[in-house]
Amino acid sequence: SQTIHQWPATLVQPVGSPLSLECTVEGTSNPNLYWYRQAAGRGLQLLFYSVGIGQISSEVPQNLSASRPQDRQFILSSKKLLLSDSGFYLCAWSIPPGGRNQPQHFGDGTRLSIL
Amino acid sequence: AQSVTQLDSHVSVSEGTPVLLRCNYSSSYSPSLFWYVQHPNKGLQLLLKYTSAATLVKGINGFEAEFKKSETSFHLTKPSAHMSDAAEYFCVVTFYNQGGKLIFGQGTELSVKP
Repeated sequence: SQTIHQWPATLVQPVGSPLSLECTVEGTSNPNLYWYRQAAGRGLQLLFYSVGIGQISSEVPQNLSASRPQDRQFILSSKKLLLSDSGFYLCAWSIPPGGRNQPQHFGDGTRLSIL
Repeated sequence: AQSVTQLDSHVSVSEGTPVLLRCNYSSSYSPSLFWYVQHPNKGLQLLLKYTSAATLVKGINGFEAEFKKSETSFHLTKPSAHMSDAAEYFCVVTFYNQGGKLIFGQGTELSVKP
């Protein structure tokens, strides 16, 4: 069966420090991969998605970047964190759309606090 | 424009009573619809999905939802609430031309009283 792993579960970082959050998927090949941020107030905002190695689409301009160095690995990064980067970050995967659209499957998230 | 609206930001029920969480979508395309549940500090778990097969969809933990095209609705129900059902619920829609991207409702917080 397919599984998705995110780490770390929680992270406290000072303003201006770098960031690297990692997400890996097991049990499937060539998944679509997604990074979301969930700020206080519950809504989910799509940050990045990827349909293949090295293929990254950014949904919103921001201080973050994403990379996909391997088929089932998705990394969220920043060179200098801002206070506004605080939030709950979720990684998700889905089977690429073929016929009907497929649901996404989420990791357990990373709680990022910027001080 | 394509959108999804959850009509209640918060619903409170007593344990053992029915649950109804309401969701409406707006689009001229045929949608795929999902309900997800999120417990505190956890990721989203898929409860059920509708992808143009049977309009009454059964999911995990006793939940079900009915797709009503004439009403553009996909309400989530459960006959009898358990304390463990207390969580945030998201109605989510996607369309074939969205390339797999999801459109999320703002969420409904379900409280269950003993």
